[in-house]
Amino acid sequence: QVQLVQSGAEVKKPGASVKVSCKASGYTFTSYGISWVRQAPGQGLEWMGWISAYNGNTNYAQKLQGRVTMTTDTSTSTAYMELRSLRSDDTAVYYCARVCTYYDILTGYFEYYFDYWGQGTLVTVSS
Amino acid sequence: SYELTQPPSVSVSPGQTARITCSADALPKQYAYWYQQKPGQAPVLVIYKDSERPSGIPERFSGSSSGTTVTLTISGVQAEDEADYYCQSADSSGTVVFGGGTKLTVL
Repeated sequence: QVQLVQSGAEVKKPGASVKVSCKASGYTFTSYGISWVRQAPGQGLEWMGWISAYNGNTNYAQKLQGRVTMTTDTSTSTAYMELRSLRSDDTAVYYCARVCTYYDILTGYFEYYFDYWGQGTLVTVSS
Repeated sequence: SYELTQPPSVSVSPGQTARITCSADALPKQYAYWYQQKPGQAPVLVIYKDSERPSGIPERFSGSSSGTTVTLTISGVQAEDEADYYCQSADSSGTVVFGGGTKLTVL
């Protein structure tokens, strides 16, 4: 069965960096992308970006450009998300999710959605 | 990018039908996807491609689309359906967008 297992909770000081891992199993890692979605306390879901595990191509949310880097290690089927220059408003639960993407002839666009999610990693930024 | 607008809350009694809308503020519209999130848990995909149901999702969950508005319908709501529901789509550049979420309360 498909599983995404994330690394444990982190506490960081403002200005520091955090790197969260997401180990995939139960499917061919390079056949799907991995996306990262975060959720601040009591708030909604915020998409951070995604990476193709096939070729490493990335697409980041404009808001996080320059602060976030997503990578994969195909030898261990693990995806990573690094966020730098942390601020208090980066405090959130960070989820990885498997990306299903396909070209739909009817809409004429590439479609993206998330069919499996990790358990979430709480990152707390506090001085 | 564009925005997806959901009502903050919807309340229904057990056995009734809940309808949660998600409106896009601009065309073109790509498909919408719906996720259920219970407290302390990761989201779960309940509808994809506007109206398709993944395996394992109860038949009482359905989706529909009209113009730039999509609707998640839960027929015969059960207490276990109480959760936050999020719609999601993407724009032509591949930027993913989530709606603000709707809290479904089962009275």
